[in-house]
Amino acid sequence: SQTIHQWPATLVQPVGSPLSLECTVEGTSNPNLYWYRQAAGRGLQLLFYSVGIGQISSEVPQNLSASRPQDRQFILSSKKLLLSDSGFYLCAWCRESYEQYFGPGTRLTVT
Amino acid sequence: SQQGEEDPQALSIQEGENATMNCSYKTSINNLQWYRQNSGRGLVHLILIRSNEREKHSGRLRVTLDTSKKSSSLLITASRAADTASYFCATDPSRDDKIIFGKGTRLHILP
Repeated sequence: SQTIHQWPATLVQPVGSPLSLECTVEGTSNPNLYWYRQAAGRGLQLLFYSVGIGQISSEVPQNLSASRPQDRQFILSSKKLLLSDSGFYLCAWCRESYEQYFGPGTRLTVT
Repeated sequence: SQQGEEDPQALSIQEGENATMNCSYKTSINNLQWYRQNSGRGLVHLILIRSNEREKHSGRLRVTLDTSKKSSSLLITASRAADTASYFCATDPSRDDKIIFGKGTRLHILP
């Protein structure tokens, strides 16, 4: 069966510090991968998606970036965090735009 | 950009009653999905309805889709306390690898 992992689960970082969130998928190959951000009590904002290694589509211009160094690994990064980067970050995978499977999320607080 | 819009934003009902949530979207779609999110967790896929389907059932869930009105509804029958969660619709715009989520309906089942 397929599983999706995200880490860390929670993170508190000062403004201006770098960020690296990792997402890995097991039990499937060549998945579509997605990064979302969810503000408290709000909907999901699509940040990046990838249909293959090295293929990244950015939805929102901001100080975040994403990379897919391996087929089942998706990394969200920032060189300098802003207060507005605080939120709940969710990674998801799917095949051929059918149902998405979400990881447990990372709660990021920028102080 | 927001594709789906759920209505109402919040809903409180007594346990045992039926809960109905609506979703409207803007562009043509391949399919529409409903997801559930418990507080602080990732989203869980509930049901997918294709653009050529009008109604679909899964246990206590009933989903309808009206492509002429660009709208869908999710009905949860005989609600239980465990149904308390946020519910999101997500659409798969044609010829696209993205899935766009609405802002969600917060459902609270009162004991």
